[in-house]
Amino acid sequence: AQKITQTQPGMFVQEKEAVTLDCTYDTSDQSYGLFWYKQPSSGEMIFLIYQGSYDEQNATEGRYSLNFQKARKSANLVISASQLGDSAMYFCAMREASGGSNYKLTFGKGTLLTVNP
Amino acid sequence: NAGVTQTPKFRVLKTGQSMTLLCAQDMNHEYMYWYRQDPGMGLRLIHYSVGEGTTAKGEVPDGYNVSRLKKQNFLLGLESAAPSQTSVYFCASSLGRRNTEAFFGQGTRLTVV
Repeated sequence: AQKITQTQPGMFVQEKEAVTLDCTYDTSDQSYGLFWYKQPSSGEMIFLIYQGSYDEQNATEGRYSLNFQKARKSANLVISASQLGDSAMYFCAMREASGGSNYKLTFGKGTLLTVNP
Repeated sequence: NAGVTQTPKFRVLKTGQSMTLLCAQDMNHEYMYWYRQDPGMGLRLIHYSVGEGTTAKGEVPDGYNVSRLKKQNFLLGLESAAPSQTSVYFCASSLGRRNTEAFFGQGTRLTVV
């Protein structure tokens, strides 16, 4: 079963507008972490934002914020004031305990965001 | 500070050949991971290690072996390469705490013909 589901293979947004990238996850652990990474066309993986399962506040990092809804098991990434440089593949990931304290880091299939001028 | 370094960056193999991909990190991280990235599939975990001398299977371990003899190095081996192993391989490392991000290498593009 998919641990991380990103239902939007591709998204388009106009420059300067906000966009939400969806991510839902599946875990039976009470303690876990959620991450978003950006992969531009050059290929490197860039860490954007982290949300812990016990964090009461939604995480924010500059123009990035994470809309964390624990009961729904969703961790959507919101990018405000989109820029042309935001065009990239975005991955949602989860770190959960696997057999005790061994933390696996699992990724979704990604969403390709295109920002139009 | 080099971070995570993968060697080589590109490689073409013939079916049946073997090779080893090297991942080296200089951040004293406990955890190291090997992923493969294929179009439309995201990053899939091959193997990972939670410390020197330990390894564990991920989602797609078949056809690969790994070793973590030194804390800073994580090797991924293909004993008999197959065209289905054509992919981009990423290594990553992280501290052993849940809330710390993983740092990635630049990737290795492997083609098996």
